[in-house]
Amino acid sequence: NAGVTQTPKFQVLKTGQSMTLQCAQDMNHNSMYWYRQDPGMGLRLIYYSASEGTTDKGEVPNGYNVSRLNKREFSLRLESAAPSQTSVYFCASRTSTGASYEQYFGPGTRLTVT
Amino acid sequence: TQLLEQSPQFLSIQEGENLTVYCNSSSVFSSLQWYRQEPGEGPVLLVTVVTGGEVKKLKRLTFQFGDARKDSSLHITAAQPGDTGLYLCAGAEGANNLFFGTGTRLTVIP
Repeated sequence: NAGVTQTPKFQVLKTGQSMTLQCAQDMNHNSMYWYRQDPGMGLRLIYYSASEGTTDKGEVPNGYNVSRLNKREFSLRLESAAPSQTSVYFCASRTSTGASYEQYFGPGTRLTVT
Repeated sequence: TQLLEQSPQFLSIQEGENLTVYCNSSSVFSSLQWYRQEPGEGPVLLVTVVTGGEVKKLKRLTFQFGDARKDSSLHITAAQPGDTGLYLCAGAEGANNLFFGTGTRLTVIP
């Protein structure tokens, strides 16, 4: 049981390049999330998927797209990377049963855009 | 955007001391969570508080949710080096919106 896994762990891009961050969870969770973490700003929600086949914008969606490929996988795509997207990206998942709001986080992807 | 302010931003104390971290907001949340994050890893949930005035204890950690469900505190008794990390509060609005505070970076010196 690996929990939430993310690839890659580190990535350097040049301005204008594109890339996809991958996330998978093996806990049979319905909801999945993408956050970015910047110094002094905490974690901010980019996009989320409440269930397979649905996605919704979070607080900072501009410059990103997502795909909920199946129940396990939720990817984040940067079509044309900008230096402002330099950040640490975390994927998380949560069960939708009961009243628990606990989110389980992956280890993060550290992205640098030059 | 829901703003959660944490204080202090940085805290460095000696092993054995007590400390309190605060999380304040002008918004009401359905629940509030505390996470701890270590370098190179994602946040890990410590506790969820749901009811105004609720107090939860986790060994040497005591969490309190304000009566109006806008603020919370985390108190650590007799801090140990293993408590070192970034402590994040997060307020839940609905099922999928979790707003994180800016964090308190705690260092416990042996």
